[in-house]
Amino acid sequence: DAGVIQSPRHEVTEMGQEVTLRCKLISGHNSLFWYRQTMMRGLELLIYFNNNVPIDDSGMPEDRFSAKMPNASFSTLKIQPSEPRDSAVYFCASSLLDGNSPLHFGNGTRLTVT
Amino acid sequence: DQQVKQNSPSLSVQEGRISILNCDYTNSMFDYFLWYKKYPAEGPTFLISISSIKDKNEDGRFTVFLNKSAKHLSLHIVPSQPGDSAVYFCAASAARGANSKLTFGKGITLSVRP
Repeated sequence: DAGVIQSPRHEVTEMGQEVTLRCKLISGHNSLFWYRQTMMRGLELLIYFNNNVPIDDSGMPEDRFSAKMPNASFSTLKIQPSEPRDSAVYFCASSLLDGNSPLHFGNGTRLTVT
Repeated sequence: DQQVKQNSPSLSVQEGRISILNCDYTNSMFDYFLWYKKYPAEGPTFLISISSIKDKNEDGRFTVFLNKSAKHLSLHIVPSQPGDSAVYFCAASAARGANSKLTFGKGITLSVRP
């Protein structure tokens, strides 16, 4: 199993540009989580989906952030327009919706907005 | 407002000795607790978990202790090995099941000296 795959690994962009982060879930997993890691706040949950349906997006900081699951195995997190304070490492994680399986994280996307 | 607190940002121990990593939580609704380990440039990986109906769970060199009355848990690693050097995150969930919405602490950096 290839694990959770995130792309790109690094993204450097200028303020105001649109940024799209991508995530491929582990085959068979049906829960998808987007986390953001910063020095100040640690790992914060942004949004999570069960069976492609967004369950809790209360962690999404602003309307500039949006996440989608166009199919059961893929998700995107979009920031438009990006700002320097969005600079962080963004992690995607997936799991089985069985109540016992732990989250499997991807290796993250390091975003730098200048 | 941090609901899961890892107050010590770092810990250094000698190889072969015990490492004790502490975690406190404030939300009395939390009933499932996990530890994740993270190496640089990788995503967190699941290490061990404990349900609130237990006060101890052991897996090889790793043992997690839960003190519900004190809202405190700890991870013991014995004997510690250089390969254990990583950032350790404590996480908690307010619903039964490991894949529910997890709240993470900021992490503790463990260094095991050869």
